[in-house]
Amino acid sequence: EIVMTQSPATLSVSPGERATLSCRASQSVSSNLAWYQRKPGQAPRLLIYGASTRATGIPARFSGSGSGTEFTLTISSLQSEDFAVYYCQQYNKWPPGTFGQGTKVEIK
Amino acid sequence: EVQLVESGGGLVQPGGSLRLSCAASGFTFSHHYMDWVRQAPGKGLEWVGRTRNKANSYTTEYAASVKGRFTISRDDSKNSLYLQMNSLKTEDTAVYYCTREDPYSSGYLDSWGQGTLVTVSS
Repeated sequence: EIVMTQSPATLSVSPGERATLSCRASQSVSSNLAWYQRKPGQAPRLLIYGASTRATGIPARFSGSGSGTEFTLTISSLQSEDFAVYYCQQYNKWPPGTFGQGTKVEIK
Repeated sequence: EVQLVESGGGLVQPGGSLRLSCAASGFTFSHHYMDWVRQAPGKGLEWVGRTRNKANSYTTEYAASVKGRFTISRDDSKNSLYLQMNSLKTEDTAVYYCTREDPYSSGYLDSWGQGTLVTVSS
C-alpha cells in the first residue's frame, strides 16, 4: 500500500498570504494525485486532480504541482473561506486510493 | 447539480449490522463508479470500497479493514448506492461519505455527500 505523508500538520497563515502544502508518496504515483478541501460540517470538495488540473469551479488561487513522489498545493492569497483541512490522495495504485493525514490551514 | 445524500447512520452495538444508503441525483448515476469513504473521529480519510458500473459487471473492491464484513451494492433504477455493514467493531465508528468517481474511472472522487455518522458502541 502506498503511504501518503502530508506536511505540515498545521499551517498558520494570515489572510492574503501564500500557503504552501506538501504531500509525499512512499513510491511514485506519476501524476495521479488529487487534493481535497474539507470544512467542518460540509462535504469534502475536489480541488485538484492529475496533480495540477483544477476541478470545475475552483478559483485560480489554488494550484497544484509535482509528479512522482513530491507534490505541492499552493493557495496564492488566502481568503477567509480557505481556512480548512486539505487532503491529498493518490489513485495511481488502486485500490486502495490512499489519503494523506491532512494539513489544517488555520488563521494566524 | 450533482447531489449525494447519505442516510441510515446511527448507534449500533459491536457485532451488529447497519445499512447505509446514498441517493444520487443530477447526473447519470449508472455511468459512474461509486465509492464509500469514511473518517473516524480525529483521524484522516479512509477509502472503504467501490462498485463499478454495469459495463464493468458491477464488480466491487474493499479495503482490507472491512473486507468480508461490508458489502457495497447499487440500484441504478433508483439512483442509489448502499453499504451493508455487518459484524461492526468499535473502530468502524466514523462519518461515512458516499462519493462519485470521475467520469473516466481514474480513481479520484469528484463529488461527495455530506456524510452520515455511524457510532459503534455498547
